[in-house]
Amino acid sequence: DAKTTQPTSMDCAEGRAANLPCNHSTISGNEYVYWYRQIHSQGPQYIIHGLKNNETNEMASLIITEDRKSSTLILPHATLRDTAVYYCIVRAVYAGGTSYGKLTFGQGTILTVHP
Amino acid sequence: DGGITQSPKYLFRKEGQNVTLSCEQNLNHDAMYWYRQDPGQGLRLIYYSQIVNDFQKGDIAEGYSVSREKKESFPLTVTSAQKNPTAFYLCATRRTGSYNEQFFGPGTRLTVL
Repeated sequence: DAKTTQPTSMDCAEGRAANLPCNHSTISGNEYVYWYRQIHSQGPQYIIHGLKNNETNEMASLIITEDRKSSTLILPHATLRDTAVYYCIVRAVYAGGTSYGKLTFGQGTILTVHP
Repeated sequence: DGGITQSPKYLFRKEGQNVTLSCEQNLNHDAMYWYRQDPGQGLRLIYYSQIVNDFQKGDIAEGYSVSREKKESFPLTVTSAQKNPTAFYLCATRRTGSYNEQFFGPGTRLTVL
């Protein structure tokens, strides 16, 4: 799996957009970008994923650069409840039989949303 | 209410005792996973099961054992052979038809005294 690099921590004001970057310069053609988040002392929560086109759902938007070497997760109107650790994961859709779902969670970005 | 149940939320055991952590799901997902998380760290995969009666070791399986006798249940036993068992343990399922979209339970925080 391609390695990802994320900033250790970021701050955001409540109501403003939170833009979380992720570098994945060694990503290969069959690898998707996944984002999860983990609120303190809870299990991680799936947010969004994409291959090369920008994606949007009810939680967030994912912008992937044309060369696919980096991406940005956007929370359009951050709230205090969005304070969490955000994980960027790169993973092939097909990694062979029993390898499905073997995700590697790094240390992620600690996002703090303040009033 | 559909979801993943892990109980209890907090568990205390004496050193040298085996302990079994429960994970139950009613999402009808085939695949289930166990992760371990240490303070300030990401998640590490212990064991996973793609289907009933089958499971594979993850990256840190030593000192742990699992069973998958029913689709709904994937219990994890932390044995006395696990050198540093105190951690936050998370169970997850993978949505059928999805390759990497996982749903996580609330976790069990195990403390070995």
